[in-house]
Amino acid sequence: GQQLNQSPQSMFIQEGEDVSMNCTSSSIFNTWLWYKQDPGEGPVLLIALYKAGELTSNGRLTAQFGITRKDSFLNISASIPSDVGIYFCAGRNYGGSQGNLIFGKGTKLSVKP
Amino acid sequence: DTGVSQDPRHKITKRGQNVTFRCDPISEHNRLYWYRQTLGQGPEFLTYFQNEAQLEKSRLLSDRFSAERPKGSFSTLEIQRTEQGDSAMYLCASSAGLNNEQFFGPGTRLTVL
Repeated sequence: GQQLNQSPQSMFIQEGEDVSMNCTSSSIFNTWLWYKQDPGEGPVLLIALYKAGELTSNGRLTAQFGITRKDSFLNISASIPSDVGIYFCAGRNYGGSQGNLIFGKGTKLSVKP
Repeated sequence: DTGVSQDPRHKITKRGQNVTFRCDPISEHNRLYWYRQTLGQGPEFLTYFQNEAQLEKSRLLSDRFSAERPKGSFSTLEIQRTEQGDSAMYLCASSAGLNNEQFFGPGTRLTVL
């Protein structure tokens, strides 16, 4: 099925560093969501974005809905070991179903203490 | 805990057997979704219910797959004559309201031998 282009595929960083990851689509999206998934668990919703240009924070996390409506980024500031996991972007495109979220392939984050 | 719950968490079965999974959504969430996730991929949409009505099915949902939500609360996903390619994590999510943010359960890990 259709998937978003998410990058980078993986990141290995030092504790305390900032992290940035992004997601792009070939079609216009009206919703962007960012999830974090731990091994063997379901994705946990971090941030939801509904308007082009919207910038939303959740603690050390900040995400933006791109002006073109075809991209979004997630930043994590001052990373800590518990930030380890796989981060997924997900979106719903204009004209698409109300049910169907399209997911990226994920960014695997490793944090070195 | 009032989150989405799924049962069982793990299922190992032999090829050709039938399996059934259950999902209990967040109370009062009228929308319920099933996704499938294979290793290294993001979740892929399978089907979606609003109350008891199944409104959308992905082409990934072959005729061996059937989902029900008879009373608009819990849902079951049945796979008949399982194949090794059915091995995956099956995720359930629920949502409500205009923004339709989807909250995921912990998933059922299916292994077909």
